[in-house]
Amino acid sequence: DVKVTQSSRYLVKRTGEKVFLECVQDMDHENMFWYRQDPGLGLRLIYFSYDVKMKEKGDIPEGYSVSREKKERFSLILESASTNQTSMYLCASSPPPGQGDNSPLHFGNGTRLTVT
Amino acid sequence: AQSVSQHNHHVILSEAASLELGCNYSYGGTVNLFWYVQYPGQHLQLLLKYFSGDPLVKGIKGFEAEFIKSKFSFNLRKPSVQWSDTAEYFCAVNPTSGTYKYIFGTGTRLKVLA
Repeated sequence: DVKVTQSSRYLVKRTGEKVFLECVQDMDHENMFWYRQDPGLGLRLIYFSYDVKMKEKGDIPEGYSVSREKKERFSLILESASTNQTSMYLCASSPPPGQGDNSPLHFGNGTRLTVT
Repeated sequence: AQSVSQHNHHVILSEAASLELGCNYSYGGTVNLFWYVQYPGQHLQLLLKYFSGDPLVKGIKGFEAEFIKSKFSFNLRKPSVQWSDTAEYFCAVNPTSGTYKYIFGTGTRLKVLA
């Protein structure tokens, strides 16, 4: 069974701090994603990566960056945290289309970040 | 722009009632379609998926969904809900042509009264 692990379940940070959210998957998936989940807005894609050192912006990349140095790890970085980045952050992974069992996204448990 | 619409934001039902949650998407090409469920305090889980073939797909826990291409819809149904179905449900679309992106709807919160 695919396991996607996010390092923290809850995180409280101060405005202006640099924040790292870590995500690790154990299924050798090429694709990894960071979403944020807000009430009434659903899931919005921040960044995704389809290979090591490759990344693409999603729909709301402003204020965020990512790092994918190893295939299993995908980090989300808030360069200078702001209160409007208070949210639930979800990491997900998937194999490339047409590979494996056509499994779609596998999600981690989420990190609830509060910026004060 | 590609988008997914879930018209019901909150639904309250009594146990044994029938459920239908609407999902419409805007994309002219071929898509893969999904419904995910998030039970309270848990991570998002796949409920069912459609890639091709029979447009009526069955998922876990008695859920099913029907893909109607002409209506760009993928509505979720269950003939008789249970209290344990209380959760948030998300419809998602993955265009098949050259993108890894999954586009999610805004979600529907279902509350089933015992």
